[in-house]
Amino acid sequence: GAVVSQHPSRVICKSGTSVKIECRSLDFQATTMFWYRQFPKQSLMLMATSNEGSKATYEQGVEKDKFLINHASLTLSTLTVTSAHPEDSSFYICSARVQGFGGYTFGSGTRLTVV
Amino acid sequence: AQSVTQLDSQVPVFEEAPVELRCNYSSSVSVYLFWYVQYPNQGLQLLLKYLSGSTLVKGINGFEAEFNKSQTSFHLRKPSVHISDTAEYFCAVSEAAGNKLTFGGGTRVLVKP
Repeated sequence: GAVVSQHPSRVICKSGTSVKIECRSLDFQATTMFWYRQFPKQSLMLMATSNEGSKATYEQGVEKDKFLINHASLTLSTLTVTSAHPEDSSFYICSARVQGFGGYTFGSGTRLTVV
Repeated sequence: AQSVTQLDSQVPVFEEAPVELRCNYSSSVSVYLFWYVQYPNQGLQLLLKYLSGSTLVKGINGFEAEFNKSQTSFHLRKPSVHISDTAEYFCAVSEAAGNKLTFGGGTRVLVKP
């Protein structure tokens, strides 16, 4: 149980275009989802916390207008990288805290390459 | 604010040998502690967690960890590793009453035949 499905797993886009990444909680309701960014051989950096039905809370230094987060339902959160540039290339991972489980479950990640 | 330090960035180990990955944390409040494993180009898989109770926690794949409050540590151990244990391991902490998960820098385990 407590599975988060993340799509796409890999995406290549041209510089200047936008890319949407989806995370769905399959068998539970995720009131809160977290979005992380991971550079090669580095740890996960929290970008933002998304709460269903309200605006996301962004970590310091993360551009709100570049990384648009929407959490319109209890089972879906999306991250849109707008006007992507090569420096946005990274591994993006979503996560949700599972009530009653005392832990967090993670999506399988999205490898974004901007060319 | 909470923080997590993984003291070893890389740990080479021979197959069937034991391994210990060190994790220390800092927090002014009660915490939950986690160990996750990440294989290349994949998300994170929970190995084990400490929420309360017994300080020795057993997880999947033969891993265990011990919570030491006085030393603010949560070291991960496995008595005999396999080639398939080659991966990146992350220690993480969240405040018991909070929401945010903070990760350590990760430890890359390389199991050699």
